Amino acid sequence: DSGVTQTPKHLITATGQRVTLRCSPRSGDLSVYWYQQSLDQGLQFLIQYYNGEERAKGNILERFSAQQFPDLHSELNLSSLELGDSALYFCASSASPPGQGSSYTFGSGTRLTVV
Amino acid sequence: GENVEQHPSTLSVQEGDSAVIKCTYSDSASNYFPWYKQELGKRPQLIIDIRSNVGEKKDQRIAVTLNKTAKHFSLHITETQPEDSAVYFCAARYTDKLIFGTGTRLQVFP
Repeated sequence: DSGVTQTPKHLITATGQRVTLRCSPRSGDLSVYWYQQSLDQGLQFLIQYYNGEERAKGNILERFSAQQFPDLHSELNLSSLELGDSALYFCASSASPPGQGSSYTFGSGTRLTVV
Repeated sequence: GENVEQHPSTLSVQEGDSAVIKCTYSDSASNYFPWYKQELGKRPQLIIDIRSNVGEKKDQRIAVTLNKTAKHFSLHITETQPEDSAVYFCAARYTDKLIFGTGTRLQVFP
């Protein structure tokens, strides 16, 4: 157990629907990052939050949004789902403030299948 | 732009041989370079990292080297074992985030 908790582990939904993925960072970590990993692909950065504030954005679609709550857990909302959104979505957390490099700890991911 | 190139995409070695994976980054301001190992269906796990003030770092059978002038860094695995088989990702820190390479699928044959 890495200490980063992601729920649900698996999600199957239809095109056009909306889903919410949840992430609880390791205890004490203030930074949360979301990554998308499509089949046999690399890790594409989506968005980062630090202590409740958005700090960096990657190639995140307008149909996707995220937030980090006062208890530091984060949610990634995916709407108007398309077949191409099927992927593994990873959350990672880090103890360092933005601008200071340190390793990420990844959660086990949520596998989203859009049918 | 923010880019990390990784080569090769696949690598097959015999057990006991060495494996080398190379990455190149684009931003000279990057100062942190971790390597992650991802087994099939599992989360990426940090195996080693290096900061820009260090040229080389070793941890048992794995080592990472960094050439800041050329903006590239490499992962070296010696005495490979079948359990080393996985996908390996390099990453470079760009401002507030890590940008990952496209991954190298390493297969170690007994």
